[in-house]
Amino acid sequence: SYVLTQPPSVSVAPGKTARITCGGNNIGSKSVHWYQQKPGQAPVLVVYYDNDRPSGIPERFSGSNSGHTATLTISRVEAGDEADYYCQVWDSSSDHYVFGTGTKVTVL
Amino acid sequence: EVQLVESGGGLVQPGGSLRLSCAASGFTFSTYNMNWVRQAPGKGLEWVSYLSTSSSTIYYADSVKGRFTISRDNAKNSLYLQMNSLRAEDTAVYYCARVQRGYTYGGFDYWGQGTPVTVSS
Repeated sequence: SYVLTQPPSVSVAPGKTARITCGGNNIGSKSVHWYQQKPGQAPVLVVYYDNDRPSGIPERFSGSNSGHTATLTISRVEAGDEADYYCQVWDSSSDHYVFGTGTKVTVL
Repeated sequence: EVQLVESGGGLVQPGGSLRLSCAASGFTFSTYNMNWVRQAPGKGLEWVSYLSTSSSTIYYADSVKGRFTISRDNAKNSLYLQMNSLRAEDTAVYYCARVQRGYTYGGFDYWGQGTPVTVSS
């Protein structure tokens, strides 16, 4: 089965840039979606199809995807960005959605 | 306003059954593909099942295949998950989630608040 690997945690100072990676075999050939989940809340879609943002999501959130790594970048990090972040793909070989292992972003 | 409201969760003994419901409002439910996603306590997200608009395409995670059944009633704007032969490892918060319009396997743009399921004796 297809596996997506994320770093367990990322720490970043306010105003700096956070980069969250999502590793998968040839993930660059797939479309990646990213979610933000705050404690006790449902996930929120923040980036879809590698680098598109749903309405209402700040431009500070952007994505990229190439080779074996997809990346979610959060620019000018704010305290409110502290949350768990998950990547997701559709794996056509297994007809399964797959979520990454999740990354906890801590704002210092 | 788009709303997804899950119900039907609770405490059930191992081997038991439970039926979850997800009531949709604020959009044309029949035109959206839907999913169930779960999250065990303190763990990450796990996709459970996918159902297309007309129920013609259904997929399950390997961990629930043969035990869970996804279905929908477009006339009632509702999504369901019948869970049989429940195990302790099925303990989780279960979310229903909508696939973005126009994408067969797009991201999940709206989620419910989740309903907790606990499998324990």
